[in-house]
Amino acid sequence: GDSVTQTEGLVTLTKGLPVMLNCTYQTTYSPFLFWYVQHLNEAPKLLLKSSTDNKRTEHQGFYATLHKSSSSFHLQKSSVQLSDSALYFCALSEPSSSGSWQLIFGSGTQLTVMP
Amino acid sequence: DMKVTQMPRYLIKRMGENVLLECGQDMSHETMYWYRQDPGLGLQLIYISYDVDSNSEGDIPKGYRVSRKKREHFSLILDSAKTNQTSVYFCASSLSRGGSDYTFGSGTRLLVI
Repeated sequence: GDSVTQTEGLVTLTKGLPVMLNCTYQTTYSPFLFWYVQHLNEAPKLLLKSSTDNKRTEHQGFYATLHKSSSSFHLQKSSVQLSDSALYFCALSEPSSSGSWQLIFGSGTQLTVMP
Repeated sequence: DMKVTQMPRYLIKRMGENVLLECGQDMSHETMYWYRQDPGLGLQLIYISYDVDSNSEGDIPKGYRVSRKKREHFSLILDSAKTNQTSVYFCASSLSRGGSDYTFGSGTRLLVI
């Protein structure tokens, strides 16, 4: 079945450094990928999404490019800030057995930015 | 302002008591979801509702049931709560089409003692 893999459970960086959070997926459908961000004690919120191959998508300084050839949708930022400390989820849209659609979530990557 | 509202935000229950978690949305989304979130385990899907009285088990339905009598309202029920059901519960809603993202509620933090 469809799946999403986030290899890093925890990433710790110093403010101002670049970051890349890995996300790979498996699907037999045309992929639609998402990144969600969840700050402490808050709800997950959509950060960005894409279904277009090899096109960079950006939001709030974060960016990601869907690469169908490598089944990847890595999240990047050129210079992290303290406020970027949060839990980041990668997700894949897939059809359910009822004909509706649902998101398959990765296990999440906790990003901690140090001063 | 489109949103998903969860009540209550915090709840403490004794083992064996019944628990009702409520979720409402004002976007007329067909599909609604209940997840639980535990440290290191990400978001685990409990139930999906495709519309009124059209519900389907997710990955971890044991110990839970749901009710959806109106499109805008989706309830999660724990009959005889157990300590291992202590968790943060999130409700979400979405349109029923490919590429639709979820809108999440703020979560209910449940402690079963």
